[in-house]
Amino acid sequence: KQEVTQIPAALSVPEGENLVLNCSFTDSAIYNLQWFRQDPGKGLTSLLLIQSSQREQTSGRLNASLDKSSGRSTLYIAASQPGDSATYLCAVSAIQGAQKLVFGQGTRLTINP
Amino acid sequence: GAVVSQHPSWVICKSGTSVKIECRSLDFQATTMFWYRQFPKQSLMLMATSNEGSKATYEQGVEKDKFLINHASLTLSTLTVTSAHPEDSSFYICSASFSGRGYEQYFGPGTRLTVT
Repeated sequence: KQEVTQIPAALSVPEGENLVLNCSFTDSAIYNLQWFRQDPGKGLTSLLLIQSSQREQTSGRLNASLDKSSGRSTLYIAASQPGDSATYLCAVSAIQGAQKLVFGQGTRLTINP
Repeated sequence: GAVVSQHPSWVICKSGTSVKIECRSLDFQATTMFWYRQFPKQSLMLMATSNEGSKATYEQGVEKDKFLINHASLTLSTLTVTSAHPEDSSFYICSASFSGRGYEQYFGPGTRLTVT
């Protein structure tokens, strides 16, 4: 059974810092991995999707990497801003039944002005 | 593009009543829709997967007679919580996907259900 773990559970940093969020998964047979952002009481916003054949994806100040063999992904946020404060979730889908997502517990990120 | 809406955004109901939540894909036809449940400060747990015109596939431990899912068209899925109890209070989120976007899931804004 696939398990997804995110470390740290919470992170608080001053504005302007670069930071890394970590995600690990137990079964390397994945179809893709997605990073999401969730604001309190809201739904999910997709940030980046990495197919299993890819190593990384970039969008603006965000860069996500994928190392399937070691079961790890990182989300790098450059020049953090208070508006980046949210919970960040990673999720993986298995090769069989490609669409089912298994989520990590999330990292609650606070950027202090 | 790829917008998913949910209605209502929040609902309060009395114990023993049923409540229906709608999930719509607004600008695409969703071959598959998913229903998730999220408890406070916890992650999303998949409840069921539904394909248009077929019966939903429920995850282990989810009571299909309690959480009725209907996927009547390529743009609409509904979740009905029957005989709701306070422990059913939660945040329910749907998502939709289609093969044209590599099965990427697009999420709705969620529905907050409170059962009193």
